[in-house]
Amino acid sequence: GAVVSQHPSRVICKSGTSVKIECRSLDFQATTMFWYRQFPKQSLMLMATSNEGSKATYEQGVEKDKFLINHASLTLSTLTVTSAHPEDSSFYICSARGTSDQGEQFFGPGTRLTVL
Amino acid sequence: GQNIDQPTEMTATEGAIVQINCTYQTSGFNGLFWYQQHAGEAPTFLSYNVLDGLEEKGRFSSFLSRSKGYSYLLLKELQMKDSASYLCAVMDSNYQLIWGAGTKLIIKP
Repeated sequence: GAVVSQHPSRVICKSGTSVKIECRSLDFQATTMFWYRQFPKQSLMLMATSNEGSKATYEQGVEKDKFLINHASLTLSTLTVTSAHPEDSSFYICSARGTSDQGEQFFGPGTRLTVL
Repeated sequence: GQNIDQPTEMTATEGAIVQINCTYQTSGFNGLFWYQQHAGEAPTFLSYNVLDGLEEKGRFSSFLSRSKGYSYLLLKELQMKDSASYLCAVMDSNYQLIWGAGTKLIIKP
């Protein structure tokens, strides 16, 4: 089956620093990758959709200058949380979809970010 | 607007059967997904329905009625490891997933 990896799985950082999270599709080419955020006991919230080689599409209310997304290849997308603050502490999950628009999304294992 | 409704929490007994309902109103429909999510982990895929009817996969079955905007996930022979949140998601006309808030399923011995 399709496998998506995410790195790191956990990160603790100081307020004001930047954190980069990587999302990789290991055995398929992901034309589209999605970045979600999930707060405790809440559902997934889509932050942005990224297509390989083009700019990400951000959902309303998500600051594109704060959450930088790069989808440079068909197997790698990165999310950088810039100048992180404690309210950015959350579970960040990426998912990837193959070449078919109707394909299911395959989820990475998630990254737990804690900003002190 | 787009809306996915499912119960917040359900409780069932080990060995029993439980049905988790999901109703939706979306702009377009390109299929409905059910995912399982254990606490602190990412969602894992359970089922995909795009045509009306019942899809059976082992202990889990998923049903869809497009005319009613309704789906359910049926879990049989419940096991303690089935304690998790179950997320209903609909793919809209733009092939974006619209997520429900999830149903927390508690299994009691």
